[in-house]
Amino acid sequence: QSVLTQPPSVSAAPGQKVTISCSGGTSNIGNNFVSWYQHLPGTAPKLLISDNTARPSVIPDRFSGSKSGTSATLDITGLQTGDEADYYCGTWDNSLSAWVFGGGTKLTVL
Amino acid sequence: EVQLVESGGGLVEPGKSLTLSCAASEFTFEDYAMHWVRQAPGKGLEWVAGISWNSGRIDYGDSVKGRFTVSRDNARNSLFLQMKSLKTEDTALYYCAKVYPPWDSGSFHFNSWGQGTLVTVSS
Repeated sequence: QSVLTQPPSVSAAPGQKVTISCSGGTSNIGNNFVSWYQHLPGTAPKLLISDNTARPSVIPDRFSGSKSGTSATLDITGLQTGDEADYYCGTWDNSLSAWVFGGGTKLTVL
Repeated sequence: EVQLVESGGGLVEPGKSLTLSCAASEFTFEDYAMHWVRQAPGKGLEWVAGISWNSGRIDYGDSVKGRFTVSRDNARNSLFLQMKSLKTEDTALYYCAKVYPPWDSGSFHFNSWGQGTLVTVSS
């Protein structure tokens, strides 16, 4: 059971938009920045979003992040088949003194 | 470009020990906290441990506390994870990850990752 809650899977057609949610609490998302990672199992995870909304220069603007209260969201627009991967949110938890990841969301581009 | 190369993985029996290494290059290693993250087969990412830039702060995940020890050698640009009393549930691909921003800046994220080293705990 992950501290941060994500939907196990989302899907949409190429060109469409998906939203991946990440729900936590005051000890984690509520008082810390959230980051998002794209991961293909067996490969190095890739940072997509840092500090709730910041996107590294190499990440397309089709990826965007937001945060409100104790929840965060990753939006992916103009879906491409190459976006199929697992997506994780993460942040520091002040009560646990530990980094916490969401359980991960598998994106399928139909 | 930041390079993180993990090594030391392998097949080990339950109850035994193993030490992982992460060789870092192309950045000022001594300025950044470093962490270990793992992924068990069919599972999600799990944070294992983190160490600050000067080893002044070390944190562990509950599942490894008391069994794993993270350390670093800034002179050798290397990160280590000493794993003792290994359990079958420690079987995973272990990644080292670099933090940003540098030093103890409060909130952080992982901006570079290695390719991982596989640890299999089995009799």
